[in-house]
Amino acid sequence: SQQGEEDPQALSIQEGENATMNCSYKTSINNLQWYRQNSGRGLVHLILIRSNEREKHSGRLRVTLDTSKKSSSLLITASRAADTASYFCATDAQAGTALIFGKGTTLSVSS
Amino acid sequence: GAVVSQHPSRVICKSGTSVKIECRSLDFQATTMFWYRQFPKQSLMLMATSNEGSKATYEQGVEKDKFLINHASLTLSTLTVTSAHPEDSSFYICSARVRGRTANQPQHFGDGTRLSIL
Repeated sequence: SQQGEEDPQALSIQEGENATMNCSYKTSINNLQWYRQNSGRGLVHLILIRSNEREKHSGRLRVTLDTSKKSSSLLITASRAADTASYFCATDAQAGTALIFGKGTTLSVSS
Repeated sequence: GAVVSQHPSRVICKSGTSVKIECRSLDFQATTMFWYRQFPKQSLMLMATSNEGSKATYEQGVEKDKFLINHASLTLSTLTVTSAHPEDSSFYICSARVRGRTANQPQHFGDGTRLSIL
């Protein structure tokens, strides 16, 4: 089953602009993770934020988590054409269990 | 580190054929691996959890006799799609967790297998 919605479903921006994707989930979580998927490929882990954290940074990525609203956002700053991919949030309800994925946002960055 | 190799990357075969997909953790041990299915432009749907040395746990609606999972070692899980039909055509992805690390750790994904049944 899927956790919830991500919005927008698709996002098209120019290089250098920032991209913000949002994710909502339904159940309590242990952590929330963001993954990237290039077309026809597997998933690459980007960042993990624990349920007791509110914000986390990694390079050009910034993730926020609001457990009261059961939502998270991923911000990619100064986007590049190479950032073009699908981005998924995934939640880990209990340690060691499978990830449950959101529907994903398809990001297109044009140069 | 933490590389997962999935093989084959692409399979095209006739209806009725059984297809085996391998998922290997190359530089770590994984007591648990997961199998997902992804339709075009959709998200990943968990099919089953593969446990080393024991039976797999299947998600509701996934036919265990159709999708046979074997996790015979700490580095290998296999998914066999038996008597495949065109509706089984999909992108299958495996993932693994590093043995002994369960809390607040990412999963490591293979590159997926594109299965096309004619």
